[in-house]
Amino acid sequence: GENVEQHPSTLSVQEGDSAVIKCTYSDSASNYFPWYKQELGKGPQLIIDIRSNVGEKKDQRIAVTLNKTAKHFSLHITETQPEDSAVYFCAASFYGGATNKLIFGTGTLLAVQP
Amino acid sequence: ETGVTQTPRHLVMGMTNKKSLKCEQHLGHNAMYWYKQSAKKPLELMFVYNFKEQTENNSVPSRFSPECPNSSHLFLHLHTLQPEDSALYLCASSQDTPREQYFGPGTRLTVT
Repeated sequence: GENVEQHPSTLSVQEGDSAVIKCTYSDSASNYFPWYKQELGKGPQLIIDIRSNVGEKKDQRIAVTLNKTAKHFSLHITETQPEDSAVYFCAASFYGGATNKLIFGTGTLLAVQP
Repeated sequence: ETGVTQTPRHLVMGMTNKKSLKCEQHLGHNAMYWYKQSAKKPLELMFVYNFKEQTENNSVPSRFSPECPNSSHLFLHLHTLQPEDSALYLCASSQDTPREQYFGPGTRLTVT
């Protein structure tokens, strides 16, 4: 069935360093790939997304890249800050049955050490 | 932050209790979702409503019963739950499925 794998499960970086989180998806028909950030005690918050007609998208310190051939996409955070510490989830759209839905990865706990 | 609200934020219930979770979205969206979030597992989609009609029931046990009276409100009625149902229950909404879903803060449910 549909599946999204996310790595690593935990990531610790020094403040100012870059962080990269990678996801692979199984459904070649997927065409929408959002990334969510979840802070303690809060719901996931959409931080950036990419559609399959582009290979890269950037928003300030955050960028996402997509390789459709290899069916993987990555989140890049540059100049990390302590407030970037959170759990990050990737997701991919899946078209099946009556509803298009998102399939989520298992999450990456990012810790930015000051 | 206030686009999707959920109440209560925390709930402790016994296995014989009946309770309901409430979700409200103030974004003018057409679709609403219930997800279950357990430790070390991906977000599990439970139900999808599009224009008040249920379009997805992801093999959820009948002890969970959703209700969507209009496009802005979504309920999850709970009865005779099991301890393994303890989790964070998240509500989300979107203009269309499945794009740009916006999540509420969740209800932390503990079944004793």
